[in-house]
Amino acid sequence: IAGITQAPTSQILAAGRRMTLRCTQDMRHNAMYWYRQDLGLGLRLIHYSNTAGTTGKGEVPDGYSVSRANTDDFPLTLASAVPSQTSVYFCASSEGTSGNNEQFFGPGTRLTVL
Amino acid sequence: GQNIDQPTEMTATEGAIVQINCTYQTSGFNGLFWYQQHAGEAPTFLSYNVLDGLEEKGRFSSFLSRSKGYSYLLLKELQMKDSASYLCAVRDSDYKLSFGAGTTVTVRA
Repeated sequence: IAGITQAPTSQILAAGRRMTLRCTQDMRHNAMYWYRQDLGLGLRLIHYSNTAGTTGKGEVPDGYSVSRANTDDFPLTLASAVPSQTSVYFCASSEGTSGNNEQFFGPGTRLTVL
Repeated sequence: GQNIDQPTEMTATEGAIVQINCTYQTSGFNGLFWYQQHAGEAPTFLSYNVLDGLEEKGRFSSFLSRSKGYSYLLLKELQMKDSASYLCAVRDSDYKLSFGAGTTVTVRA
């Protein structure tokens, strides 16, 4: 079944540790996104990639980095995790960025930083 | 940037109609989306508006007024499975989405 997958499903991490959240889609979508979702704040864009080989900063990029080496994969790295990065992280993809191109979301990764 | 406001919570009875309002202020507008998100799950796409007017998809309809910075999502013939959060999202001129905090709708029997 075509779709978008994320790993791990959940993770508890000690502060200061490095962590990479994985995201893979098999829909050959050009654009991919990383969001964090916190209670009362809604989804906030961390980083995005409009096409393989390019990335851009969203609303809350500090403390996170991404890479887009190919169309399918878009990993998110926390270089040195802090408790404020405790959140639910959603990866999303869309065929394009304009028109009625909806974003498809992965199942999310629940991250707790202690 | 975007400023998107929607009510935090709404409660309605099974079979009734509920209207979720969304107001936005934007530096550039390139479309408005509504998503549904059940507790513990990923958001799923419901509707898209870019021109003024009403878009109808079965029991769900979405309306947009660009001059007023206003949209609403109308849910008709409410069912228990419609209990979820509904997210209003505005796409800016850089084609990035900004989301409201979401409206939690509770459907009661």
